[in-house]
Amino acid sequence: QEQLVESGGGVVQPGRSLRLSCAASGFIFSSYATHWVRQAPGKGPEWVAVISYDGNIQSYADSVKGRFTISRDNFKNTLDLQMNSLRIEDTAVYYCARDRGIAIEGGFELWGRGTLVTVSS
Amino acid sequence: SALTQPASVSGSPGQSITISCTGTSSDVGSYNLVSWYQQFSGKAPKLIIYGAIERPSGVSNRFSGSKSGNTASLTISGLQAEDEADYFCFSYAGGDSWLFGGGTKLTVL
Repeated sequence: QEQLVESGGGVVQPGRSLRLSCAASGFIFSSYATHWVRQAPGKGPEWVAVISYDGNIQSYADSVKGRFTISRDNFKNTLDLQMNSLRIEDTAVYYCARDRGIAIEGGFELWGRGTLVTVSS
Repeated sequence: SALTQPASVSGSPGQSITISCTGTSSDVGSYNLVSWYQQFSGKAPKLIIYGAIERPSGVSNRFSGSKSGNTASLTISGLQAEDEADYFCFSYAGGDSWLFGGGTKLTVL
């Protein structure tokens, strides 16, 4: 069945880096725009970044711009999020979420289960 | 800043409730790229409305979306105990910007 599985979360010190991955299966990954969404403990979700179906377009929330990089490998069916200069406020569960199609429309019809990132000294 | 939702709403089984999501002319008011999500504790959100008014296949027709001006709304009719959850709206805000609402906790009395 269609599935997204995140990995790479963990505990990291402020200022350090972490790379998250999301493995897609059960559908044609290259046909969908894909996003990262995070949710801090007890808070609502926050959109983080999006990448177009072909990887040519990336957009970022102001809170992560210049620190995070989203990328994808349509041959390996994977989505990545490189997170640099991590801050305590980046602590959250990070979800990868698939848009409804090629277009970036913000309708996340498939989500992973999330991976927890904790930034702490 | 985040879209504005009521922190909580409640209703009795069988009733209808509406959750509002208020933005500005730069986001909700300018685009029909509004979606709604249902989230249970410890779980990933689930898409229940996209394109402001469209319902994904498999989502109950008790859920409906609408939009007027800068405000989008989610209506749940024939309220059921299983609808008790958190609900979030989400909208394109132009440029590189996408915004979630602060979330609404629905209690079924």
